[in-house]
Amino acid sequence: GPKVLQIPSHQIIDMGQMVTLNCDPVSNHLYFYWYKQILGQQMEFLVNFYNGKVMEKSKLFKDQFSVERPDGSYFTLKIQPTALEDSAVYFCASSQAGGGQNTLYFGAGTRLSVL
Amino acid sequence: QQQVRQSPQSLTVWEGGTTVLTCSYEDSTFNYFPWYQQFPGEGPALLISILSVSDKKEDGRFTTFFNKREKKLSLHIIDSQPGDSATYFCAASSGSWQLIFGSGTQLTVMP
Repeated sequence: GPKVLQIPSHQIIDMGQMVTLNCDPVSNHLYFYWYKQILGQQMEFLVNFYNGKVMEKSKLFKDQFSVERPDGSYFTLKIQPTALEDSAVYFCASSQAGGGQNTLYFGAGTRLSVL
Repeated sequence: QQQVRQSPQSLTVWEGGTTVLTCSYEDSTFNYFPWYQQFPGEGPALLISILSVSDKKEDGRFTTFFNKREKKLSLHIIDSQPGDSATYFCAASSGSWQLIFGSGTQLTVMP
């Protein structure tokens, strides 16, 4: 089936540094998402992105977070500066159409460890 | 409140048996309930979904049931196979961009 690729699979970073998580979504998809999963807890919605804009974000999407997809390349999540509580697995997803009833295709996640 | 509670946290069944996973929710605006299956090292993938206008949806060995009055849903896997061993997430949406996920059930099917 369609694949979403996330690079890297694991990132270790010192607190206060900047990190960029990369996502290569399904080629004809137009809607992009980030979800965060702290160990042992459920995946939680961070943000949805369409047509160059954030459509919806949760309270977890702090001011230190930003997303972009320059020129149809990777869909990225940038955290600057990072904090200890940002340690989690971040899942990228994409969908062909928008709205909550559309199938999301998830990547395998990037495990972020903030030391 | 936008929460989805999922149980059990982990489950072991024998090959050929029936697996039952359950979820409950409180937000009555939820109208779409997908189940995602995740194998180790992979991302979650949609397994089956149901809309609140239905009470049952079947796809091969997988059936999801929805009880609007009790605000509960369940996933039944008949003739469970070792290849079904994975983590299963229920989720809910009220039509906005975000899915609200349960915490997952780790299923092990023993041969």
